[in-house]
Amino acid sequence: QKEVEQDPGPLSVPEGAIVSLNCTYSNSAFQYFMWYRQYSRKGPELLMYTYSSGNKEDGRFTAQVDKSSKYISLFIRDSQPSDSATYLCASSWGKFQFGAGTQVVVTP
Amino acid sequence: NAGVTQTPKFQVLKTGQSMTLQCAQDMNHNSMYWYRQDPGMGLRLIYYSASEGTTDKGEVPNGYNVSRLNKREFSLRLESAAPSQTSVYFCASGVTGNNSPLHFGNGTRLTVT
Repeated sequence: QKEVEQDPGPLSVPEGAIVSLNCTYSNSAFQYFMWYRQYSRKGPELLMYTYSSGNKEDGRFTAQVDKSSKYISLFIRDSQPSDSATYLCASSWGKFQFGAGTQVVVTP
Repeated sequence: NAGVTQTPKFQVLKTGQSMTLQCAQDMNHNSMYWYRQDPGMGLRLIYYSASEGTTDKGEVPNGYNVSRLNKREFSLRLESAAPSQTSVYFCASGVTGNNSPLHFGNGTRLTVT
């Protein structure tokens, strides 16, 4: 079993909708949590970086961590076609573990 | 500021051929990493280097070797390529020891026929 799991999608939403992405993790030692965005034929690009439980907001993006249920979420408000990409969650405590990614398609 | 630069961008090899994938970073990071990305499998760590002069195996090291040439450069070598090594290879760098996030290059797409 992978230490970080996420649904591969694809997740298709209309422009302007809220995109909701989730990951679960198994290792309670994880303290740092990240979301990366990966466009086709590009490398992962860091979107959000959080420590421990709680919320972090950056523009249209909100990351949530619930350590009690080992659940990581990313919300994208007012989604745009340019948000169409694969989103990877990641966790670390000295060592990094990545989810396999969820493909998101935002249709105009 | 280029970040993490990988060369080449694409490569096709025949089974048994060898090649070296190059990676350089200009962010003064101590740690560097090589991952492979396959559909449905996510990013899997091949090798990493926590500092200049050290290298360690990751999750899938078989068939690969690495060299940390200096603080900036970390290369990945396939001595005898196999079709199972067809993948997209990503180099990443980060700050050692404080869980800072990794920064990735744009990958090398390798096909072994």
